[in-house]
Amino acid sequence: AQRVTQPEKLLSVFKGAPVELKCNYSYSGSPELFWYVQYSRQRLQLLLRHISRESIKGFTADLNKGETSFHLKKPFAQEEDSAMYYCALSGRLTGGGNKLTFGTGTQLKVEL
Amino acid sequence: EAGVTQSPTHLIKTRGQQVTLRCSPISGHTSVYWYQQALGLGLQFLLWYDEGEERNRGNFPPRFSGRQFPNYSSELNVNALELEDSALYLCASSLGLYSGANVLTFGAGSRLTVL
Repeated sequence: AQRVTQPEKLLSVFKGAPVELKCNYSYSGSPELFWYVQYSRQRLQLLLRHISRESIKGFTADLNKGETSFHLKKPFAQEEDSAMYYCALSGRLTGGGNKLTFGTGTQLKVEL
Repeated sequence: EAGVTQSPTHLIKTRGQQVTLRCSPISGHTSVYWYQQALGLGLQFLLWYDEGEERNRGNFPPRFSGRQFPNYSSELNVNALELEDSALYLCASSLGLYSGANVLTFGAGSRLTVL
């Protein structure tokens, strides 16, 4: 079974402070991890994926297989980062294809 | 290019009624996924269709069903509505089963309220 855990429902930080959104996963195979973001009144959209190893809007995330974590980080929070963030895991299904499992999400609130 | 489109955007039903939600994927995408986003529960996987066939199903009762049409659009049907079915229902699409694709593009959702 594949599972994604986001322990914080709400994370409140001040503008300019570092941000770390936690994500832990459980999966027996080799997973692919994603972060999706949902800004207010907008659609859920892909923020980044671990295989890309890129920084998007200043956010980075490193897959730590030893700790089964994929935390999302940004050194300096901006007001426009306020949104709902979902960690997701893609695992292979028997018979082909992938199943994307989402965590329960963390609401990030950046205060001035 | 049009994104994933869903209809209706909002609807209100009463307990025991039935509802049909519709989704059109991005052109070229053959896989369609349905998720339920209930308050405080995050995104719960409902159903996955690819090339007209149901490929995987989440932990939901049989009154949640759906289908995918030859043009790859999809319907989600919910029978005997219960209060706890009130949620935002999200549809997403991706390239097909054997493409190796696992990045989903989401629609804006259909907000269902059950009274």
